[in-house]
Amino acid sequence: DAGVTQSPTHLIKTRGQQVTLRCSPKSGHDTVSWYQQALGQGPQFIFQYYEEEERQRGNFPDRFSGHQFPNYSSELNVNALLLGDSALYLCASRGSGSTDTQYFGPGTRLTVL
Amino acid sequence: EDQVTQSPEALRLQEGESSSLNCSYTVSGLRGLFWYRQDPGKGPEFLFTLYSAGEEKEKERLKATLTKKESFLHITAPKPEDSATYLCAVQAGRSGSRLTFGEGTQLTVNP
Repeated sequence: DAGVTQSPTHLIKTRGQQVTLRCSPKSGHDTVSWYQQALGQGPQFIFQYYEEEERQRGNFPDRFSGHQFPNYSSELNVNALLLGDSALYLCASRGSGSTDTQYFGPGTRLTVL
Repeated sequence: EDQVTQSPEALRLQEGESSSLNCSYTVSGLRGLFWYRQDPGKGPEFLFTLYSAGEEKEKERLKATLTKKESFLHITAPKPEDSATYLCAVQAGRSGSRLTFGEGTQLTVNP
């Protein structure tokens, strides 16, 4: 049973560029959430997708946007990159129950120079 | 606003030296409290979910407990492979399924 997968593993961009990160949820899961984890800190919630719509959003600017596809996979897009966007970006998936455990992928390490 | 505070920030133990990690939380209507383990540069690995005060769960050398204000992760006779950062997160009733995380406790177990 494949777990949550993310691509790419690492990414280096320069300020002002745009980036797209990808996530495939665990088999049987239909809800995907994205988190940002700065070095030495806990993950911060960005947003959640269910039924191809953004259902919840954390305190992140509109530069952060996403998409969910019919197969439940998801993309995170970040425009106009800032140095402060350098972080580990984590995708988590769960079933549709309200307290179902969220399972995390390995993350994408984004470095903005 | 939901808040999670973990202590200590870092903990060094000798192999076999038992200890506990603390997670204090302030949340309106707790739906679930989650413990994860995270190795450097990797995604968090699920350990436990606790739903109500008094609940306890165990897995190998780890035992998680929950009260109305805090959770403890007890580590019995730890081994070097238990070295990792342990993250606590809460899910609140009015916040849907989003998780609010603490900063984590970095555990090092020396042989």
